[in-house]
Amino acid sequence: NAGVMQNPRHLVRRRGQEARLRCSPMKGHSHVYWYRQLPEEGLKFMVYLQKENIIDESGMPKERFSAEFPKEGPSILRIQQVVRGDSAAYFCASSPRRTNEKLFFGSGTQLSVL
Amino acid sequence: QKEVEQNSGPLSVPEGAIASLNCTYSDRVSQSFFWYRQYSGKSPELIMSIYSNGDKEDGRFTAQLNKASQYVSLLIRDSQPSDSATYLCATDSGGSNYKLTFGKGTLLTVNP
Repeated sequence: NAGVMQNPRHLVRRRGQEARLRCSPMKGHSHVYWYRQLPEEGLKFMVYLQKENIIDESGMPKERFSAEFPKEGPSILRIQQVVRGDSAAYFCASSPRRTNEKLFFGSGTQLSVL
Repeated sequence: QKEVEQNSGPLSVPEGAIASLNCTYSDRVSQSFFWYRQYSGKSPELIMSIYSNGDKEDGRFTAQLNKASQYVSLLIRDSQPSDSATYLCATDSGGSNYKLTFGKGTLLTVNP
């Protein structure tokens, strides 16, 4: 049973480009959570999605960031016009139901903005 | 801003010793508390959860919770070099049943 799959593992973008981060949840999981880990900072909640629905995006920056979890395919975290401050590790986690008790995290995407 | 505070370390202990990791939280509404282990460059992995005051033991790990003092700790007995990692303390955010607030983590090094 494959775990939570994130790709790419590393992503390098120049300022102003777009970054797309993908997260495939564990089989049977329909709930996805995105967290960001800035250098020297703890993991920060960004967004919680259930298939085709954004449940809570209170941790997302108001501009340039968006997330989706379509009926088919992985969840996508999209960052438009990236800036150096977006450089971070982005982790997604999944669960079979709404919970914070047993989250399975993916290996993360390390975004570097030049 | 609800916060979770941890000593950043690094905490260094010899092999076989007890490692003690501490965490305080500011949100009195929090009901669920978690310890995650994160190896360098890897994903966080849940190792302990605790919901009631007192101690909870799982193998070499013991989590302790004191809600009155808003304090959570993790003890690792018979520390092994393989325990060397960053340990993240997390609580439910404002009592949320899906959102976590994490501390910055404590880096633990176990010396052979």
